[in-house]
Amino acid sequence: DAGVIQSPRHEVTEMGQEVTLRCKPISGHNSLFWYRQTMMRGLELLIYFNNNVPIDDSGMPEDRFSAKMPNASFSTLKIQPSEPRDSAVYFCASSSNPTGPNSPLHFGNGTRLTVT
Amino acid sequence: GQNIDQPTEMTATEGAIVQINCTYQTSGFNGLFWYQQHAGEAPTFLSYNVLDGLEEKGRFSSFLSRSKGYSYLLLKELQMKDSASYLCAGYNFNKFYFGSGTKLNVKP
Repeated sequence: DAGVIQSPRHEVTEMGQEVTLRCKPISGHNSLFWYRQTMMRGLELLIYFNNNVPIDDSGMPEDRFSAKMPNASFSTLKIQPSEPRDSAVYFCASSSNPTGPNSPLHFGNGTRLTVT
Repeated sequence: GQNIDQPTEMTATEGAIVQINCTYQTSGFNGLFWYQQHAGEAPTFLSYNVLDGLEEKGRFSSFLSRSKGYSYLLLKELQMKDSASYLCAGYNFNKFYFGSGTKLNVKP
């Protein structure tokens, strides 16, 4: 079975540019999560969706970040404009509903973003 | 809050046993998960505890004490491939809160 698929694997961009990260969750999973990982702050939850609806976006750092899930098989995380401090690995994860002991998170391979 | 604390780094010898501890604030979590993350890769699910006690899964065991806000991951018969970061995560209302992870170095 295909796991969570993220693209691109690596993204290098200049400050001020728009960045779009993409995610395809595991088929049948109802919940989708976007995380950001840095050495300093570890894994931080940015936003999560349940049945394509954003449930909690309290982790989104600021208005420059936005996320959408137009259908059950696709989500995007957009940063506009990007800044050097956004450099991190961005992970997408999905799980069956409800997420919990019998339905742990399954992570994609991540997108390593570098903003110069 | 959901502060989760783990040691930053540990070193152990191949074939040995190592225990990685995790402490958290006792309010709010419905369960405690452990993930393994090799360098440059995605975290992968290892084990979970919802009730107090020990859960064993092959070479890996995980323990939880909810009243003490304490969990540990026990790795037996260490292998070189076990060198990775181990992330403790509290679970509450459909959300996972991750600790910063413990980097385990396994030496020959």
